[in-house]
Amino acid sequence: GAVVSQHPSRVICKSGTSVKIECRSLDFQATTMFWYRQFPKQSLMLMATSNEGSKATYEQGVEKDKFLINHASLTLSTLTVTSAHPEDSSFYICSAITGGDKLTYEQYFGPGTRLTVT
Amino acid sequence: GQNIDQPTEMTATEGAIVQINCTYQTSGFNGLFWYQQHAGEAPTFLSYNVLDGLEEKGRFSSFLSRSKGYSYLLLKELQMKDSASYLCAVRDPYSGTYKYIFGTGTRLKVLA
Repeated sequence: GAVVSQHPSRVICKSGTSVKIECRSLDFQATTMFWYRQFPKQSLMLMATSNEGSKATYEQGVEKDKFLINHASLTLSTLTVTSAHPEDSSFYICSAITGGDKLTYEQYFGPGTRLTVT
Repeated sequence: GQNIDQPTEMTATEGAIVQINCTYQTSGFNGLFWYQQHAGEAPTFLSYNVLDGLEEKGRFSSFLSRSKGYSYLLLKELQMKDSASYLCAVRDPYSGTYKYIFGTGTRLKVLA
């Protein structure tokens, strides 16, 4: 159980275009989802926290108008990178938590999306 | 500020034991997690500590000392498949959303 999927797994887009990444919890309802980015050989950097039906909370330094997050249901959150530029090329990972596991509230991670902006 | 430190890289031999340390200085503490991440893949959960002491789970053990802001992950009987990055994360109790603060990650290379 507790499977999180992401789509697409890889995407290449041209500079100036927008890209949408989906994150789904397949077998549980996610009260909260998180979006991270990871550069090569670096750790995960939290971009924003997303709660169903409310606005996302962005970490300091993350442009909310550039990285649009929508959490429309308890099983789906989307991240849209608007007007993408080469420096946005990165590995984007989502995670989700459920209120069911009250002991640890561990985060379940999706497989990640490799974004390349040319 | 929030600071979580881990060694950048470690190398060990198949069959050996390796200890990966994590020190943290955070404004609050509500649990420490260890994750394993193979290159290009999602992190997978290894262990969770919220009280001082040792948690053992098969070949993996994790230790926590809250007074020292210190944790370690112990991997026994190393296998080649253990070559991966190991991420230490502290849960922020003040966020209200159970967000993690991740350490820098340790890349472990297991040699035959």
